[in-house]
Amino acid sequence: EDQVTQSPEALRLQEGESSSLNCSYTVSGLRGLFWYRQDPGKGPEFLFTLYSAGEEKEKERLKATLTKKESFLHITAPKPEDSATYLCAVKTSYDKVIFGPGTSLSVIP
Amino acid sequence: SQTIHQWPATLVQPVGSPLSLECTVEGTSNPNLYWYRQAAGRGLQLLFYSVGIGQISSEVPQNLSASRPQDRQFILSSKKLLLSDSGFYLCASTPRRLAGVPNEQFFGPGTRLTVL
Repeated sequence: EDQVTQSPEALRLQEGESSSLNCSYTVSGLRGLFWYRQDPGKGPEFLFTLYSAGEEKEKERLKATLTKKESFLHITAPKPEDSATYLCAVKTSYDKVIFGPGTSLSVIP
Repeated sequence: SQTIHQWPATLVQPVGSPLSLECTVEGTSNPNLYWYRQAAGRGLQLLFYSVGIGQISSEVPQNLSASRPQDRQFILSSKKLLLSDSGFYLCASTPRRLAGVPNEQFFGPGTRLTVL
């Protein structure tokens, strides 16, 4: 069964304390992996698309990496405004998009 | 870039009442459109998707239905709401760009539905 999991479920960081979020997937063929940021009460905001193992994408303090089994979202020197829920999603070989449950990130000043 | 509009933003409805949520897309033509539901603290559940006018695919059998009367308009409906229909409903759009390339989805602001 196709499945996407994310860990940890929740993460609390001090401002400036770097860390990583994990997205693990078991799917029948990966066509792409997406990262989104979601603020409370709002729709998800697109961050990155990764297509193949070894690929990396960066945007400000965020860097996404991809292997054959998982993706990491690295957050360097986070600020309070980085607090949000981060969702990953996988597009399978038969064009189905499966979302993970998300990681809730809190950055404390 | 495209913009997705959803309304209403919030809705409180009694059990057994009808529902109509609307989604419109600006800035792209012939998009793929999606309805998702998000329960508190959980991931997004795909309800319906559409690749064109009048073409609707259902992912989860339930008392909801969807229609696409125009290229950039997507409607989610129900004849009789259940308590379990409460949730955060999101409309998403995937632009038609490069064939064969998995494109990201863009989401609307969502509708918070509470069924009492």
